[in-house]
Amino acid sequence: DTEVTQTPKHLVMGMTNKKSLKCEQHMGHRAMYWYKQKAKKPPELMFVYSYEKLSINESVPSRFSPECPNSSLLNLHLHALQPEDSALYLCASSQGVGVHNEQFFGPGTRLTVL
Amino acid sequence: LAKTTQPISMDSYEGQEVNITCSHNNIATNDYITWYQQFPSQGPRFIIQGYKTKVTNEVASLFIPADRKSSTLSLPRVSLSDTAVYYCLVGDLGGNTPLVFGKGTRLSVIA
Repeated sequence: DTEVTQTPKHLVMGMTNKKSLKCEQHMGHRAMYWYKQKAKKPPELMFVYSYEKLSINESVPSRFSPECPNSSLLNLHLHALQPEDSALYLCASSQGVGVHNEQFFGPGTRLTVL
Repeated sequence: LAKTTQPISMDSYEGQEVNITCSHNNIATNDYITWYQQFPSQGPRFIIQGYKTKVTNEVASLFIPADRKSSTLSLPRVSLSDTAVYYCLVGDLGGNTPLVFGKGTRLSVIA
């Protein structure tokens, strides 16, 4: 199984809502990532988890809160988002951290903040 | 962190070979070069990776000159389904190097 799954596929939320994005992989990978991608822009790294510990946080606002409950799951909790946070949120996993490790990406969650 | 520069866009006809060059003038000794492909509304997909000279797989070839300050992704006989954005990334083997995507090259294949 070389698939990374993400739910939901689409999410519309108001600025006062709390929601969560979920990501799952069963490849035994020990590194997992969250990226944000705006239209016609490259993916921007948000968070990196290595062995279920947060290893990189690219100065992301606190309204985004990542969680890694176990080695197969990665969540992104959303609270008090702004309309400019609307984007495609991509999850990825790899055997280890480091650019030489092939990253497997999920299909993404298309988030719209009203 | 080595910065990469790629053409913003390229057009090609079906059946042609496409070469996309990436410049990475400040590449470090331990850096690898990796290329990803992204279709609209999908996550990026790994294509190929190399350190020096030439690497070939079933999808593409990667040419890296001796000075390693640039690299060229070669797609043989492209088809309409190769229309995508192609990203070149450079980074080392260490766990502290995040995967930084450059602006990418938007390839349009025309029938």
